[in-house]
Amino acid sequence: KQEVTQIPAALSVPEGENLVLNCSFTDSAIYNLQWFRQDPGKGLTSLLLIQSSQREQTSGRLNASLDKSSGRSTLYIAASQPGDSATYLCAVRIGSNTGKLIFGQGTTLQVKP
Amino acid sequence: DAMVIQNPRYQVTQFGKPVTLSCSQTLNHNVMYWYQQKSSQAPKLLFHYYDKDFNNEADTPDNFQSRRPNTSFCFLDIRSPGLGDAAMYLCATSRDLLSETQYFGPGTRLLVL
Repeated sequence: KQEVTQIPAALSVPEGENLVLNCSFTDSAIYNLQWFRQDPGKGLTSLLLIQSSQREQTSGRLNASLDKSSGRSTLYIAASQPGDSATYLCAVRIGSNTGKLIFGQGTTLQVKP
Repeated sequence: DAMVIQNPRYQVTQFGKPVTLSCSQTLNHNVMYWYQQKSSQAPKLLFHYYDKDFNNEADTPDNFQSRRPNTSFCFLDIRSPGLGDAAMYLCATSRDLLSETQYFGPGTRLLVL
């Protein structure tokens, strides 16, 4: 059974810091991995999607890496800003006929001005 | 422009009183998903439609049903809501099942009194 874990559960940093969020999964047989952002009381916004054959994806100040063999992904946020404050969730897609996403519980990030 | 729309954004219902949540999409995607996210927990897939084909997750309670009358709309019916069903309900769509980003709506927060 696939399980996704995110560490830490919460993180508080001063503005301008570079930071890394971690995601681990127990079964390396995944189709892709996706990072989402969730603002309080809101839905999810997709940030980056990494196919199983890829090692990393970049979008602006965000960089996500994937190491399937070790069951790990990281989300790197450069030069953090208060507007980055949110919960970040990673999710792995499993199965060839469901497109089902297994989510981690998220890391809640606070960036202080 | 909103692509995945959920109505209502907040729903209050009474214990045991049936309730229907609505999701619509302008993306013409083939797949529509319903996730349940309880407070501070990971979103959990309840079921999905691939076109008109319904796929229920094994651990989704019978109390939860879904309808998809056309490509654009999908409904979540909770036949007899219990206090434990209070959660954020997220609708998502994807063009196809594999290697695709899922687009999420803003969610409907359900409160059961």
